[in-house]
Amino acid sequence: GESVGLHLPTLSVQEGDNSIINCAYSNSASDYFIWYKQESGKGPQFIIDIRSNMDKRQGQRVTVLLNKTVKHLSLQIAATQPGDSAVYFCAENIGDYKLSFGAGTTVTVRA
Amino acid sequence: DAGVTQSPTHLIKTRGQHVTLRCSPISGHKSVSWYQQVLGQGPQFIFQYYEKEERGRGNFPDRFSARQFPNYSSELNVNALLLGDSALYLCASSFSSGAEAFFGQGTRLTVV
Repeated sequence: GESVGLHLPTLSVQEGDNSIINCAYSNSASDYFIWYKQESGKGPQFIIDIRSNMDKRQGQRVTVLLNKTVKHLSLQIAATQPGDSAVYFCAENIGDYKLSFGAGTTVTVRA
Repeated sequence: DAGVTQSPTHLIKTRGQHVTLRCSPISGHKSVSWYQQVLGQGPQFIFQYYEKEERGRGNFPDRFSARQFPNYSSELNVNALLLGDSALYLCASSFSSGAEAFFGQGTRLTVV
């Protein structure tokens, strides 16, 4: 089976609210994780990454949390905007930065 | 500032045919990776090349092959196309094999 997976395939969120997207991984040896955003008709766009020696990393309106104990990764988006509507993937480094992607969570922002 | 460019953007092929997809990495990037994204799923790793050498291969049949040229551009070749090869093929480039990967828009391949 896949080594990286998402808990929920879809997420509907009110504009202005915070969004939380979850991801579980199975390889405890994984040392690097990335969140990507993919809009319709486009390739994945890098959002934020985190290494296994960190628990939390913040970017502009986004925060990634890593819980190595339960092998769980989450992406938090603050003040969700219509432009945040997309499919979000977590990806895991499986060696030399070859990436293993989960199935993705579709985020829909309600006006 | 040019990103990763892929060509063609779309194409339709018949079962049994051969296809070549092309990728130009970001200027200065020496590593190129190929991914297959079937509709509704996440990308699946196919190949990684760095400095013109294959650095990794995913779980794909030998019908899939690739190469990287001296200018670091890359081609993905698929022989004896099957209906199941219909997908979005993504190319990602990075400065080295251990750096952040930037994706192109992809090539949408439809096999009929």
